Amino acid sequence: GAGVSQTPSNKVTEKGKYVELRCDPISGHTALYWYRQSLGQGPEFLIYFQGTGAADDSGLPNDRFFAVRPEGSVSTLKIQRTERGDSAVYLCASNIGGGDNEQFFGPGTRLTVL
Amino acid sequence: KQEVTQIPAALSVPEGENLVLNCSFTDSAIYNLQWFRQDPGKGLTSLLLIQSSQREQTSGRLNASLDKSSGRSTLYIAASQPGDSATYLCAVQAGTALIFGKGTTLSVSS
Repeated sequence: GAGVSQTPSNKVTEKGKYVELRCDPISGHTALYWYRQSLGQGPEFLIYFQGTGAADDSGLPNDRFFAVRPEGSVSTLKIQRTERGDSAVYLCASNIGGGDNEQFFGPGTRLTVL
Repeated sequence: KQEVTQIPAALSVPEGENLVLNCSFTDSAIYNLQWFRQDPGKGLTSLLLIQSSQREQTSGRLNASLDKSSGRSTLYIAASQPGDSATYLCAVQAGTALIFGKGTTLSVSS
């Protein structure tokens, strides 16, 4: 498959636990984005990577959220001390070079915090 | 702050009808506008991307228009089919990120 992939598709955790969500972008796409979609809402931007560096992390809600992309390909979104309000679908997107190029989305990871 | 509004929130039509979904945005300084489709429990599928210099884009039975000056876009679906049932999201890009509306949930009955 040539599209954006995300794992796991579903994650259930308990309040206070640590979780990692993974995104594999389309091969060759240098830009990678994370969004969060709560029930009944549109996706909201979290963070943008250009290559290995986080070029814009203005959407991260607080310091419990962190993301890395060490080799400029796969990215991991990390959430510490999860709270019930973190329950949402976490979407990843990628494109060539960032800017105003079309973003291609993965299927998302549904996170449920009990 | 850019805000995107989609009207109506939900729409039910019989198969074969032509329909229009509306999207409005508060700041006309955008790079582009995209329409997405989202099936229940799934990710986003891009339908049409309109650059800020363009007025419309067409793909099959779909036609999207953009009027930057008035902050409006419409998605026209011709001859609707039950398979068109999904949530349709509008998003504008003015910086790094896409700013999304809450979507219009479409149900097409056979």
